[in-house]
Amino acid sequence: KQEVTQIPAALSVPEGENLVLNCSFTDSAIYNLQWFRQDPGKGLTSLLLIQSSQREQTSGRLNASLDKSSGRSTLYIAASQPGDSATYLCAVISGGYNKLIFGAGTRLAVHP
Amino acid sequence: DAGVIQSPRHEVTEMGQEVTLRCKPISGHDYLFWYRQTMMRGLELLIYFNNNVPIDDSGMPEDRFSAKMPNASFSTLKIQPSEPRDSAVYFCASSLAFTGELFFGEGSRLTVL
Repeated sequence: KQEVTQIPAALSVPEGENLVLNCSFTDSAIYNLQWFRQDPGKGLTSLLLIQSSQREQTSGRLNASLDKSSGRSTLYIAASQPGDSATYLCAVISGGYNKLIFGAGTRLAVHP
Repeated sequence: DAGVIQSPRHEVTEMGQEVTLRCKPISGHDYLFWYRQTMMRGLELLIYFNNNVPIDDSGMPEDRFSAKMPNASFSTLKIQPSEPRDSAVYFCASSLAFTGELFFGEGSRLTVL
């Protein structure tokens, strides 16, 4: 059974810090991994999509890496800002399940 | 494109009433997904469609739940009769391909009293 775990569950940091959010999955046979952002009372916004053949993706201050063999992905946020405060979720599609399995998310608070 | 559009944004109803949630996917997307989000269980996939055909409804909790997609631009999720434990935020999402980037709507927050 595919399980997705995100650590830490919550994180509070001062503005300007570089951050690393972690995501791990138990079944390494994945098609892709996606990182999402969710603001309170809102839907999920796709941040980065990494296909199984890729090692990383970058968008602005965000960089996501994927290590299938170890079942891990990290989301790196450079120079964090208060506007980055949100819940960040990772999700994987694996061949045996044909559905996107979500982690519980990391709740990030960046204070001025 | 306006993105995935869901309605209503909020619904408060009494136990036993029928609830219908609506979704308009992004034009051209072949896949449509219905998710439910609660504090206890996180995000759960209820059902998904490919080219308007239901592919996997194994996440639908009970026969009280049903979903339809009569055409490429519209889907409904119906709960009849509703129960308090159905209270959650229901999200619709769409994508070009099954393994493609997933786009979510703003969600429908359902409260069953």
